[in-house]
Amino acid sequence: DTAVSQTPKYLVTQMGNDKSIKCEQNLGHDTMYWYKQDSKKFLKIMFSYNNKELIINETVPNRFSPKSPDKAHLNLHINSLELGDSAVYFCASSMERLEQYFGPGTRLTVT
Amino acid sequence: RKEVEQDPGPFNVPEGATVAFNCTYSNSASQSFFWYRQDCRKEPKLLMSVYSSGNEDGRFTAQLNRASQYISLLIRDSKLSDSATYLCVVNNGGGFKTIFGAGTRLFVKA
Repeated sequence: DTAVSQTPKYLVTQMGNDKSIKCEQNLGHDTMYWYKQDSKKFLKIMFSYNNKELIINETVPNRFSPKSPDKAHLNLHINSLELGDSAVYFCASSMERLEQYFGPGTRLTVT
Repeated sequence: RKEVEQDPGPFNVPEGATVAFNCTYSNSASQSFFWYRQDCRKEPKLLMSVYSSGNEDGRFTAQLNRASQYISLLIRDSKLSDSATYLCVVNNGGGFKTIFGAGTRLFVKA
């Protein structure tokens, strides 16, 4: 059983398009996160949600809109994609702000 | 100053060597600390949490010095499979804001 899953694994799209990435965790965790890992491999937090409420929004452009329909899901919608959005996006979850478990990542390429 | 700073890599060591990684953090109110490892093109995976009293898990030992705002990871008897990037991680913002260091790359050679 996959603890934290993301779909799709790869996403290739053109500038200006809108796309979504989905994340699900079956660990019963109460907190979920989105991270961006750029070409220099630096991993940076974008959002964190606790019990479906947005807790952290790290100066991410408002083209990025997370949605948490329930505690087990955290989706990321991106409008008007730009070249600089190309990166690997990781979803993660944790219980009570402790150790985080990561999904396999979504490799987004914007052309 | 970066919020979390790690030793620049890469570290190239022979099998069986002992290697130490250091990390400093800038926010004295940071609440929890971790080491993760990340293999090429894979997700980060938790290696161990770091406690003030220090903790050990097999060949791995982690230490936290809150006064100096310093975290360390010691790997003894390095294996080829230890080759990866090691990420120092600090939780701020009530524990919800996770800051990753840039990572230290380790290559263990036969």
